[in-house]
Amino acid sequence: DTAVSQTPKYLVTQMGNDKSIKCEQNLGHDTMYWYKQDSKKFLKIMFSYNNKELIINETVPNRFSPKSPDKAHLNLHINSLELGDSAVYFCASSQDLGANEQYFGPGTRLTVT
Amino acid sequence: GENVEQHPSTLSVQEGDSAVIKCTYSDSASNYFPWYKQELGKRPQLIIDIRSNVGEKKDQRIAVTLNKTAKHFSLHITETQPEDSAVYFCAASLAGGGADGLTFGKGTHLIIQP
Repeated sequence: DTAVSQTPKYLVTQMGNDKSIKCEQNLGHDTMYWYKQDSKKFLKIMFSYNNKELIINETVPNRFSPKSPDKAHLNLHINSLELGDSAVYFCASSQDLGANEQYFGPGTRLTVT
Repeated sequence: GENVEQHPSTLSVQEGDSAVIKCTYSDSASNYFPWYKQELGKRPQLIIDIRSNVGEKKDQRIAVTLNKTAKHFSLHITETQPEDSAVYFCAASLAGGGADGLTFGKGTHLIIQP
C-alpha cells in the first residue's frame, strides 16, 4: 500500500484559477509537510502541520493555505494561481517534528498557463 | 534560519569509481542530516541519515560523515553502479522544537558513466 499519496498527479490550469491538491498518509504519523520543487529541482519547505499546529514558511504567499481535516490528511489550496506557481508539489509525513525520516508522496506537477 | 550549501551541482564518475558529495550547514543547532535520492520523475527517498551525536554511518556502499565543528557533512558512494545515477539532496533539520521541516541543499546530479 502507498504510504503517502497525492491527487492529482498532474494539474494544468489557467492563471487566476483556484485549485486544491490532496494528500493522505496511512503511516499513523503526527506531522505532515508540503514542499515545493521548482524547475531547478530546488526543494523548499512550505508548511509543517503537527497536532493542529501550523507552521508557515514566511516566504510562502498567503494565496497558499493548507487544510487538515484530520491527522491523516493535509490538503493544499491555492488561490489566484500565478505563472510562478508552476512546480512540483510534494507532500511528506514524519512520525513527529524534527529528526525523523520524512516519507514523500509521489508529487503533483502543477502547470499554470 | 538554516542554510545548506551543496557541492558539486553535477558529478560524473566512471562506473565502479567512488563519488563524494559535500554539504555545509549554517545553524549549529541542527542535529539531523538526511540524504535523499531522487530519480527522474520520482519522489525523494531517504538513503541514509546521521544524527549529530554520531560522526560516521555506513550502509553497504553508502556512507555519511559529519563534522560538527566545521558544520559539514558528506555522502560517499563506493563501487558506483548505473542505478546510482540520480539527483542527491542533503538536508538539515532541528529535532524537537520548531517545525521548519527539512532545509535542503540544491542537489547534485550524479551521472555514472558506463
